[in-house]
Amino acid sequence: EAGVAQSPRYKIIEKRQSVAFWCNPISGHATLYWYQQILGQGPKLLIQFQNNGVVDDSQLPKDRFSAERLKGVDSTLKIQPAKLEDSAVYLCASSLGLAQPQHFGDGTRLSIL
Amino acid sequence: KQEVTQIPAALSVPEGENLVLNCSFTDSAIYNLQWFRQDPGKGLTSLLLIQSSQREQTSGRLNASLDKSSGRSTLYIAASQPGDSATYLCAVRPGGATNKLIFGTGTLLAVQP
Repeated sequence: EAGVAQSPRYKIIEKRQSVAFWCNPISGHATLYWYQQILGQGPKLLIQFQNNGVVDDSQLPKDRFSAERLKGVDSTLKIQPAKLEDSAVYLCASSLGLAQPQHFGDGTRLSIL
Repeated sequence: KQEVTQIPAALSVPEGENLVLNCSFTDSAIYNLQWFRQDPGKGLTSLLLIQSSQREQTSGRLNASLDKSSGRSTLYIAASQPGDSATYLCAVRPGGATNKLIFGTGTLLAVQP
């Protein structure tokens, strides 16, 4: 089966600009996750969707980050405006359901200048 | 608040050596614990998942143990190979309705040929 697809793989922007990442989960996976992984740290969950509803967004900086999952399939994560501390790898994962193992994409590496 | 710690942060061993990676967590009320492997520029690959009721899981040369009462898990790699070089992350799933994973900071393993 095809894995979790993410694009772009790399993105370089200046601070205060906006950026968007895209994720296509494994077909049939109802649950989708966005993680932020800062260099030298483990991933941190930003937001979790069950179909197109939000299950957990407690660690999402809502003043600048937003995410949506229209039609319960693809998802986009947006940052506006970006700050230097947003430099990280943004990982998308999906699972069949809430209690199932998560499968990760290769991530988008974001650099803020 | 659940915190996950991994030691050592980095490890270099000669090929063929057996090794142990350590993971500790502060809250024993977990649903399961998972070990992942992360290669440079890639996403996470699940290696082993231990349910809270289990003591260990094995896959090939890998063995993971879980002592929930003491908040510890170990990943044992037998007869290490250069292809085992990667970052190893442990993650706990706290109890509750979400499938949120809380990650440690990882151990960077280098196996020298």
